[in-house]
Amino acid sequence: KAGVTQTPRYLIKTRGQQVTLSCSPISGHRSVSWYQQTPGQGLQFLFEYFSETQRNKGNFPGRFSGRQFSNSRSEMNVSTLELGDSALYLCASSSSVGGYTFGSGTRLTVV
Amino acid sequence: QQQVKQSPQSLIVQKGGISIINCAYENTAFDYFPWYQQFPGKGPALLIAIRPDVSEKKEGRFTISFNKSAKQFSLHIMDSQPGDSATYFCAASKGQGAQKLVFGQGTRLTINP
Repeated sequence: KAGVTQTPRYLIKTRGQQVTLSCSPISGHRSVSWYQQTPGQGLQFLFEYFSETQRNKGNFPGRFSGRQFSNSRSEMNVSTLELGDSALYLCASSSSVGGYTFGSGTRLTVV
Repeated sequence: QQQVKQSPQSLIVQKGGISIINCAYENTAFDYFPWYQQFPGKGPALLIAIRPDVSEKKEGRFTISFNKSAKQFSLHIMDSQPGDSATYFCAASKGQGAQKLVFGQGTRLTINP
């Protein structure tokens, strides 16, 4: 069974640009969540999508957005990038009764 | 009230020893407490999880101890091995399914051979 796939693995962007990250969940998993991981703040919840609807949202500015497609694949978008957005962005998928399975993440560097 | 506090930040244990990591939470609505293991360059991987209706859960060398009245839970790694060297995160959520996880700050564990 394939795991959670995140693309790209690494990304370098300039301040002010926008970026889109992609996540393909485990087959059959309808829930996809996104987390930001930084050395200072640790793992912080961004949002969760289920059947193309956002069910939960963390405390991040509106520059962070996401969406989920009918095949459960999800994308996360960050607009007007700031230096502080440099982080490892993790996607996790889950069935209705199971725990999370995380992908290996996308390492975003903003310069 | 949403925080999960984890200690220590770093831990060095000799091979064969017992590694102990502690977490404390405030929100009594939390009812699912997983532990994750993360290696460099990888995402966190679920190690073991517990619900508050049991005080202990053991899977191989890994044991979670849970104290509901103290709102604390801990991970014990018996017979620690160099391959256990990783960062460990405790977490808590309401419900086991696709619910928002609140993570501790992590513990970097080093097992010396």
